[in-house]
Amino acid sequence: EAGVVQSPRYKIIEKKQPVAFWCNPISGHNTLYWYRQNLGQGPELLIRYENEEAVDDSQLPKDRFSAERLKGVDSTLKIQPAELGDSAVYLCASSFDRLNTEAFFGQGTRLTVV
Amino acid sequence: GENVEQHPSTLSVQEGDSAVIKCTYSDSASNYFPWYKQELGKRPQLIIDIRSNVGEKKDQRIAVTLNKTAKHFSLHITETQPEDSAVYFCAASPYGSGNTGKLIFGQGTTLQVKP
Repeated sequence: EAGVVQSPRYKIIEKKQPVAFWCNPISGHNTLYWYRQNLGQGPELLIRYENEEAVDDSQLPKDRFSAERLKGVDSTLKIQPAELGDSAVYLCASSFDRLNTEAFFGQGTRLTVV
Repeated sequence: GENVEQHPSTLSVQEGDSAVIKCTYSDSASNYFPWYKQELGKRPQLIIDIRSNVGEKKDQRIAVTLNKTAKHFSLHITETQPEDSAVYFCAASPYGSGNTGKLIFGQGTTLQVKP
């Protein structure tokens, strides 16, 4: 089993540029999460999907962040335009269901905005 | 909303000693409490979890205790080994949802086990 796969692993962009992150969850996992982890801190939830529906996006800065999970499998997280404060590791996680099974994390995408 | 406080931020122990990390939470409705281990540059990995209907859970050298009244839970690692060195995060699932992935994380504890 490949686990949760994210790409790219690293991304360096200039401020005001757009950037996108991709996540492929574990096969069969219906629930998908995007987290942001700032240096030296714990992850913070940005958005949660149940299949293709975003059911919890209260923490997503909607003025510049967007996400989608077409067909309820892969997901992309986009930032446009990026700001210096967006530099962080963006983690994707998935679970078979939201109540009884472990949430598995991907390796993350380390974003540096310069 | 839920707030999770974790202490200490750094912990250094000698190999073979025990390590204890403590967390407090604010939402009395929280009912799922996992602990994640994150090695440098790697993904967080679940090492143990506990639900609010249980007071203690043990898995080999790792144990977690939960005090619902005081709203705190702790991770205990016995007979520490150098490979236990990592950042440990506690987390809580808020609002009584029991959602295993909708988590509020603590700030993390960097554990160093000296050989």
